Amino acid sequence: SQKIEQNSEALNIQEGKTATLTCNYTNYSPAYLQWYRQDPGRGPVFLLLIRENEKEKRKERLKVTFDTTLKQSLFHITASQPADSATYLCARSDSNYQLIWGAGTKLIIKP
Amino acid sequence: SAVISQKPSRDICQRGTSLTIQCQVDSQVTMMFWYRQQPGQSLTLIATANQGSEATYESGFVIDKFPISRPNLTFSTLTVSNMSPEDSSIYLCSVGQGGSNQPQHFGDGTRLSIL
Repeated sequence: SQKIEQNSEALNIQEGKTATLTCNYTNYSPAYLQWYRQDPGRGPVFLLLIRENEKEKRKERLKVTFDTTLKQSLFHITASQPADSATYLCARSDSNYQLIWGAGTKLIIKP
Repeated sequence: SAVISQKPSRDICQRGTSLTIQCQVDSQVTMMFWYRQQPGQSLTLIATANQGSEATYESGFVIDKFPISRPNLTFSTLTVSNMSPEDSSIYLCSVGQGGSNQPQHFGDGTRLSIL
């Protein structure tokens, strides 16, 4: 079965530095990988989506990569701020509408 | 993107009782989904709510335990029936327009505790 694996340990980053989160998938490459942000007590909020044949996607301070050789997506936040502290979720989508989710990585940006 | 309102935001219930969670969207949407999320764990899809027909349930979830209604394109309910402490979780409603290249948009969830 398809799985999405994210580092369960919290990631602590100093303000102003680049935060990099990892999402690994099993078996065949998904058609798309999606990244979401979730704050405590809130539902996930969609951030970025990257297609299998795209190497990189950017949105303001966010960048996502898709490496089919490593079966991995990296999510970068440049010039990180304390307000970026949250849990970041990765999900794969294939030929249908369903998403398979990772457990998320908690990011803590220290001032 | 769509605005999703979910009610109640939290509740504490006695075992053996049932609770109905409502999900209201401010625009018509193709797909509505119900998820469960345990603390620190990934989202688990319970079912897809289909307008005008029976919901499609994922493995491990059954209609008798989690009956779902979707009377129109902007509203759905999930009932958690005959609750036990194992049902304590966060229940999330999401919506999407279908297709693997479409994101989902979520309500803020219902935090349910069973005593």
